Order: sequence, then C-alpha cells, then structure tokens
Amino acid sequence: GAGVSQSPSNKVTEKGKDVELRCDPISGHTALYWYRQSLGQGLEFLIYFQGNSAPDKSGLPSDRFSAERTGGSVSTLTIQRTQQEDSAVYLCATQTGDNDYGYTFGSGTRLTVV
Amino acid sequence: RKEVEQDPGPFNVPEGATVAFNCTYSNSASQSFFWYRQDCRKEPKLLMSVYSSGNEDGRFTAQLNRASQYISLLIRDSKLSDSATYLCVVSLNPPFAGGTSYGKLTFGQGTILTVHP
Repeated sequence: GAGVSQSPSNKVTEKGKDVELRCDPISGHTALYWYRQSLGQGLEFLIYFQGNSAPDKSGLPSDRFSAERTGGSVSTLTIQRTQQEDSAVYLCATQTGDNDYGYTFGSGTRLTVV
Repeated sequence: RKEVEQDPGPFNVPEGATVAFNCTYSNSASQSFFWYRQDCRKEPKLLMSVYSSGNEDGRFTAQLNRASQYISLLIRDSKLSDSATYLCVVSLNPPFAGGTSYGKLTFGQGTILTVHP
C-alpha cells in the first residue's frame, strides 16, 4: 500500500483480556518496528523485525507481549492479560533497508485498558 | 539519565518569532540524528536529518555538536502551522548505511511548541 496501515485505530478492552494489534507495512519495506507512546511520554522501542525474524525484541516490557511477522509483510503485536499500564498508543514504523534512514509511521492504535 | 533529553517546554511564541530547541544525548557512539515533528494525536513525521556541518531547510536550521553531544533546531519566522511537538531522535547506525541497515531510533520526550497570533 501507499502507507503504513494499522488496525484497529482505537481499542478499548477490559483488564485481563488479550488484544491483537495489526500493522500492514509499505510494500518492499524490509524493516518493521513497533513502538509505544504513553500519555505525555516519548516513544518507547518495543521490537524490530528484519523480514520475518526479530533480531531485537529487547524493548518488550514483559512476557505478556509478543509479536510476529509473516511473509515479510504484516505484523501483529499481541498483548495477553492486559493491564491498565498497557494503555498507550502503539505505533508501527517501516523502513527500506537500503540507503534510506527515514521511518514511515502508521497512525497508530490507541489502546485503552479499563 | 535518559538517553535523549529535551526541554519539554511548552514554548509559547507569537507568529514571526524565532525559537530554538535543544537536545542532548548520552551515548557518544550515536551516529545519526534527526528532528521529527508530531502533531496532536498524530504519528511522528520526519522533519529533517541533522548533519555534522549543520543543515538548513527553509525556515528550519539544525546543528550538531558531537563534542558536547548536543543537537539544536532553530525555527525562524514561526507560523501558526508550526505548532506541534518536536522530537529529537538519535541512532547508533551511520546514515545511509545501505544494505539491511538496522535503524532503531531513540526518541526524546519532545518539546511542545505553540505559535499564537
């Protein structure tokens, strides 16, 4: 597609439920990143994919968080047993792997855990 | 200490004013530097890269001081449309690395700018 697409744009869930967030990257962008932004905070790195593998998942805050990417394309971020502190905007960004340092961000998923 | 620190502001300036934002980074191995702009409830967008020699894009000038680990952004002749949060961003990877370069970025908290009539 022309841009990075994320869905859903908004998600309200009850504490303890699982949620799945989706990122559909720009075609041909090999690198994919997940960040999250809590209210009034800077962007926090979660995980990086190169193709289908995740060489750096050091930012995942707990084992309740996991992510996968299939076909070098769509990525899903799953949060199990959501907690209120998981409330944030989850942003996906992609990047070409060759001589291009700019990120293209999706518009994010605003997750609210009640 | 945060890896990237910015004065959160807010900066409230009249139209036409000149405003400067500063940023410091803690990792001396950082090699690429950027300013991103984020509008309210929107995703960040790249404003400009910052090069060692300093660079200018219209009303925006970015400077880098590696010795002091300091980055700045100057906005001249401020417009109402400049109102946004400005994010200072660094990376350990060199710019234009080519191949399958890994470009994990570290973001500052952002500086809020409001330009008023």
